[in-house]
Amino acid sequence: AQTVTQSQPEMSVQEAETVTLSCTYDTSESDYYLFWYKQPPSRQMILVIRQEAYKQQNATENRFSVNFQKAAKSFSLKISDSQLGDAAMYFCAYREGNTPLVFGKGTRLSVIA
Amino acid sequence: DTEVTQTPKHLVMGMTNKKSLKCEQHMGHRAMYWYKQKAKKPPELMFVYSYEKLSINESVPSRFSPECPNSSLLNLHLHALQPEDSALYLCASSQADSYNTEAFFGQGTRLTVV
Repeated sequence: AQTVTQSQPEMSVQEAETVTLSCTYDTSESDYYLFWYKQPPSRQMILVIRQEAYKQQNATENRFSVNFQKAAKSFSLKISDSQLGDAAMYFCAYREGNTPLVFGKGTRLSVIA
Repeated sequence: DTEVTQTPKHLVMGMTNKKSLKCEQHMGHRAMYWYKQKAKKPPELMFVYSYEKLSINESVPSRFSPECPNSSLLNLHLHALQPEDSALYLCASSQADSYNTEAFFGQGTRLTVV
């Protein structure tokens, strides 16, 4: 079965600085999607960014970017110019075909003013 | 409209009560999901409906009974719950026949069983 590992239970970053959240996964498939979801205290899971495995180019959404290393099965999230509103739980997730998302255990990000 | 709406937002129920959680989406998604989430943990998959048919039941106790009356609605009927069932219950939807698309989540129902 596919697994997703987030090795950092908690991270903190100073406002306006950059932080990188780590994620590794295990799969024997060659075609799949990877996602980063954000869950603020308001509880709703919000999609931050997604990456198609067949694309070599790293996805970018404004201040959020990923470093996707397919051979290493690594999918880290970089948040630039961190803002107070970025404080949340961040979940890395994997999906192939029509199967449900597989989530990592999450990283709690604190932003220090 | 990229919204998944869940009601109620909060629910307190006794162990002998019967209640229902509701979820609605109008994105044309034909896959809908129920997740259970404990504090500081990732969501745990409970049920998946695909084209209004139950396709996955992750060995969930029978005191949780899902229902998908049509392609826009998903219910979770609750009966004789235990205090350990207190959690955040999240509904999600996604395309069922497109390869590798993201799921959209509702804000969840915070359930407390007393």
